[in-house]
Amino acid sequence: DTEVTQTPKHLVMGMTNKKSLKCEQHMGHRAMYWYKQKAKKPPELMFVYSYEKLSINESVPSRFSPECPNSSLLNLHLHALQPEDSALYLCASSFSKGSEQYFGPGTRLTVT
Amino acid sequence: GEDVEQSLFLSVREGDSSVINCTYTDSSSTYLYWYKQEPGAGLQLLTYIFSNMDMKQDQRLTVLLNKKDKHLSLRIADTQTGDSAIYFCAETSPSGGSQGNLIFGKGTKLSVKP
Repeated sequence: DTEVTQTPKHLVMGMTNKKSLKCEQHMGHRAMYWYKQKAKKPPELMFVYSYEKLSINESVPSRFSPECPNSSLLNLHLHALQPEDSALYLCASSFSKGSEQYFGPGTRLTVT
Repeated sequence: GEDVEQSLFLSVREGDSSVINCTYTDSSSTYLYWYKQEPGAGLQLLTYIFSNMDMKQDQRLTVLLNKKDKHLSLRIADTQTGDSAIYFCAETSPSGGSQGNLIFGKGTKLSVKP
């Protein structure tokens, strides 16, 4: 089983809303990732968690706040987003940082 | 810095072979990957190759690696309409500048005509 699940599939939010994206894997992977993907572009790395600790924050604005409650779950809390934050948000996991990554189906986010 | 280059488009007829090419610059690359992304979907890991290998075959997929030229290719035999997607080449290098993170190419859009 190489499944990474993400909820919700679609999300529309206003610029004053607070929402959360969720990601889950049960493969025993100890590294989890958030990526942002704009149309017709490759994914851009946002955050990396390794053994539930934030390992990399690629200079992401503070309106994006990641959280890793346990080794199977990864959240991305959203607050006061801008329309330009509209994108596909992808979660991925890997056995360890640097090994092959498995991606979830993504959350399509629209900020109005 | 690390860079991964791919051609942006490829069009083939159903039943033909498709060859998608990729070049990379990081000589310390450890693993090289091919991901497939269908419209509106996440990335599916198709296959990967370790840098000390020069070929890997998995059913209809053949990956060739020329480490000297830093060139990677993905051949899809008997291409089907369901193979229409964007294909991303990616590399990672735990000891290199990418710190083990994936460095993606811009993606090649494969169109398969019936």
